[in-house]
Amino acid sequence: DQQVKQNSPSLSVQEGRISILNCDYTNSMFDYFLWYKKYPAEGPTFLISISSIKDKNEDGRFTVFLNKSAKHLSLHIVPSQPGDSAVYFCAGFGSNYKLTFGKGTLLTVNP
Amino acid sequence: DVKVTQSSRYLVKRTGEKVFLECVQDMDHENMFWYRQDPGLGLRLIYFSYDVKMKEKGDIPEGYSVSREKKERFSLILESASTNQTSMYLCASSSGARASVHEQYFGPGTRLTVT
Repeated sequence: DQQVKQNSPSLSVQEGRISILNCDYTNSMFDYFLWYKKYPAEGPTFLISISSIKDKNEDGRFTVFLNKSAKHLSLHIVPSQPGDSAVYFCAGFGSNYKLTFGKGTLLTVNP
Repeated sequence: DVKVTQSSRYLVKRTGEKVFLECVQDMDHENMFWYRQDPGLGLRLIYFSYDVKMKEKGDIPEGYSVSREKKERFSLILESASTNQTSMYLCASSSGARASVHEQYFGPGTRLTVT
């Protein structure tokens, strides 16, 4: 049972444009949603989170939107930079301390 | 900044060997986690611990055990390594404070190859 789904394995964007990464979930009990960025051969880096009671959270170039009725969240990166090229993981956090991750989306930002 | 360190970046072991992966965090975090990452499967939780000497099974605990004797250190043990345990192993920690318990901070990972 895949509780967190990232249906796009990869995304390619031009430098300076917007990158939109999507994530769907099935577990209504998640309290928070998080986005992590991962470079090859490194551990994931925490990017941004959103509480389940909010619909938007912004941090610099990164904005996460949450649509609870659709059980959908998205990460917007504006403007995209070549250094943003990495695998992005969406995760849901429940009351059992556990993070449940999606399978990731590879973002490539082309100069 | 939170720092999570793992004892090895790369490790090669033989089938049947006992393998220890060590993780240390320096932020006095209550919670610690072990994941493995495989291509196309994302990150899967093996075990976690929310206190010294406490442990909880994650989603894929079979073939693994853990030890947490001190707050800052969490060890993953492969009792008898097998080739299907070849993977990237990631340790993480998080605060026990309610406002930030969901933010997990990861170490650099250990790429384990079992031959």
